[in-house]
Amino acid sequence: ETGVTQSPTHLIKTRGQQVTLRCSSQSGHNTVSWYQQALGQGPQFIFQYYREEENGRGNFPPRFSGLQFPNYSSELNVNALELDDSALYLCASSLAGLGNTIYFGEGSWLTVV
Amino acid sequence: AQRVTQPEKLLSVFKGAPVELKCNYSYSGSPELFWYVQYSRQRLQLLLRHISRESIKGFTADLNKGETSFHLKKPFAQEEDSAMYYCALSTMNRDDKIIFGKGTRLHILP
Repeated sequence: ETGVTQSPTHLIKTRGQQVTLRCSSQSGHNTVSWYQQALGQGPQFIFQYYREEENGRGNFPPRFSGLQFPNYSSELNVNALELDDSALYLCASSLAGLGNTIYFGEGSWLTVV
Repeated sequence: AQRVTQPEKLLSVFKGAPVELKCNYSYSGSPELFWYVQYSRQRLQLLLRHISRESIKGFTADLNKGETSFHLKKPFAQEEDSAMYYCALSTMNRDDKIIFGKGTRLHILP
């Protein structure tokens, strides 16, 4: 076990609703990244948080937002859900520093209907 | 543009035969290249990275900057190698984001 835990594991939402996904990073890790993995695709970088601030962002609209807490856990929030937001959302944690290994959680499956 | 291309969605290989999973990348800087693996019902995990120059579970990968490739190889496939394999690169920028390919499913035939 790598220690990165995500919740919930599965959820179904209606188009237009909002969702919050949670992630507890591995002990000692201060950096959290979020990825979206659509069916049949590789993971796509959404954003990264370091010391409670956004440290980089991929090509995702502003309705994708996040938070990192003092204990380094993190949330991913998605507003105004669209059908195309249906995907596996992966959280990954690491210790800050280029080249350090990142560890992935098992992901949260989001289905938007 | 930064891109990772894995041309094969599915690769079927007989047990004991050699394996080669292809990966090409596009990046103007000096990236770090990785292979990640996802076994059935398990989380995504790092298999190897080019800077380590190590062999994991019999797999190796050599970075060829001239051909912008990072193919994954194993001389003799084993049934437990069946999994989804993702090639990825890190831009080595401040955010250290990782760009993944679409993945290749490796199926080892008995």
